[in-house]
Parts: sequence; C-alpha cells; structure tokens
Amino acid sequence: QQQVKQSPQSLIVQKGGISIINCAYENTAFDYFPWYQQFPGKGPALLIAIRPDVSEKKEGRFTISFNKSAKQFSLHIMDSQPGDSATYFCAASMEYGNKLVFGAGTILRVKS
Amino acid sequence: SAVISQKPSRDICQRGTSLTIQCQVDSQVTMMFWYRQQPGQSLTLIATANQGSEATYESGFVIDKFPISRPNLTFSTLTVSNMSPEDSSIYLCSAIALKHSGKGEQYFGPGTRLTVT
Repeated sequence: QQQVKQSPQSLIVQKGGISIINCAYENTAFDYFPWYQQFPGKGPALLIAIRPDVSEKKEGRFTISFNKSAKQFSLHIMDSQPGDSATYFCAASMEYGNKLVFGAGTILRVKS
Repeated sequence: SAVISQKPSRDICQRGTSLTIQCQVDSQVTMMFWYRQQPGQSLTLIATANQGSEATYESGFVIDKFPISRPNLTFSTLTVSNMSPEDSSIYLCSAIALKHSGKGEQYFGPGTRLTVT
C-alpha cells in the first residue's frame, strides 16, 4: 500500500524555469515531510523538510508548499539549473526523527 | 549532520551465499535504518536497527533473511543471506543525527550495490 503518492514520474524543464513536483499522503498521523535529492550512484541527500504547522518553507531556490487540509505538499525549484537534474523523492514520517515512507520518485531533467 | 560510510560499495555474489554490509556513522546517532532500493525504484524500509537488541523488521522482511546487528551507537551491519538474483539491489544505511531533543534529520549512506548471479 503506497502511503505517499508522487507525481509526475518524470519532468523536463528548461534552464531557468520552475520545476514542480507534487506529493499526496493518506495518513493524517504524518507530521514530518522531507524531500531528498539523489544523483546516480549516490545515496539520497536531504534537501528541505517541513512540519505541518507552517504552509511554506523556503531555502534558497527550493520551496516546499504544504496544504494540510488537502493532504498535499509540493517542491518548487526556482531558476532550475542543469545541475539540478536528479531524482527527487518526497517522504513522510509519523514523527520527526523516525522512519520514513517514500514516494515513488521523480526524475528531473533540466535542459540547458 | 551525520556522515555515513558503507562497505563494500558494490559486490557481485553467487546465489546461495551471504554478504554482510557494514555501516559506520561519524557521530552519535539515535536511530539507524536499512533500506533497499531496486534499480530505478523508490526506497523500501527493511528494518530499524536497535542498539543492543533485535532489529525491528517491516512487513515482508524477516530476520533469517536479513539479520541485522547494531553493537553500538555508530555502527551497524546488514547481512543478506542465502542470496538469489531477486536480492540484486542497492542497500542503503541511514541514521538520525542526535540533537538535544533526541530527534533530528535522517541522513543516508552512499549505498551498497549488490548483484547476485
């Protein structure tokens, strides 16, 4: 049973554009939502994370938008660069500092 | 943050044999986990490695197939036993960095790429 649904499966964006990846969850007990970036041959790297007490969190070019009532959250990458080309995973856990459930992943390609 | 290393980085093994993967963290952590990532797929949690006690396994994973040890706060091993080609995958160790609250972000090692022939 997939508890976190991620879309799209793949995404192609022009350099300088905005990349948007969406996730939806079912379990209302989730209260921690991180995003990970993974390059080929590497482990996932924590990118940015949010708790449900805020609706948005921004770190540099990366922004998480969170909609608690809709049980959805999304990652926005502003001014996308070819170096951002990677696989992105959303995740959720029922407690900050506990095991994670991952979405299926989105392969992002930024064209120069 | 926590820096996590894994050994080996990759291996090719014969079916029916076992492989032990080591995970070392550079600082004290609270929780450690083992995940499996099949090629082009997402991460699936195998188990939580508990210090000094038996690991807690997720549905579909059993101790006889994936024995796990965690003798101290910074080290854990995962053994893939009696391997078959279906076990070919990337195995990832992760850890929760220790903060004053006792909780923190989860960091991942580089993974061990296992091929079973």
